Amino acid sequence: DVKVTQSSRYLVKRTGEKVFLECVQDMDHENMFWYRQDPGLGLRLIYFSYDVKMKEKGDIPEGYSVSREKKERFSLILESASTNQTSMYLCASSLQGVGKLFFGSGTQLSVL
Amino acid sequence: DAKTTQPTSMDCAEGRAANLPCNHSTISGNEYVYWYRQIHSQGPQYIIHGLKNNETNEMASLIITEDRKSSTLILPHATLRDTAVYYCIVNGVRTSGSRLTFGEGTQLTVNP
Repeated sequence: DVKVTQSSRYLVKRTGEKVFLECVQDMDHENMFWYRQDPGLGLRLIYFSYDVKMKEKGDIPEGYSVSREKKERFSLILESASTNQTSMYLCASSLQGVGKLFFGSGTQLSVL
Repeated sequence: DAKTTQPTSMDCAEGRAANLPCNHSTISGNEYVYWYRQIHSQGPQYIIHGLKNNETNEMASLIITEDRKSSTLILPHATLRDTAVYYCIVNGVRTSGSRLTFGEGTQLTVNP
């Protein structure tokens, strides 16, 4: 089975801190995605990447950046964390051109 | 991608079939119908997808109407572990990343 691993299940950070969320997949998938999920707002796409060093903005990229230096790893960076970035963050991967996504278990980030 | 409409919530008795409807009246010819579910505190899980023929796998069956404007996900013998939010998504195949847009989904509650 495909495994998508997110580095932390729970994370607590202070306002203004730089935060790194890491995601690793083990199935050689070309595509990787970062979503955030908030009550009443559903899942919203932040960024995605369809190849190494390639990235595209999703629906809510403001306040975030991403890095994909290796095919298996996709990092989400909060340059200066703010309280409105408290959320569940979900990473996913898929094969090129395919809508079958495999999700990680999520990272619940609290920014105090 | 075409928009989908799903009921907010549904109930089902354990052991009975759960039939989850989805309307996608603006679907275009090259768009697939995908179903995912999300059990509380976990990442979404792929269930099944189809283009125009009915599909079945070990988890569920997908029935797509002949005009493709609606579909039904069938869980033939629902169990308590099937309690989850079910998402119906329409998505076309792209050469680059297939970005899925998750709506609010249907909260299915399976009752003992």
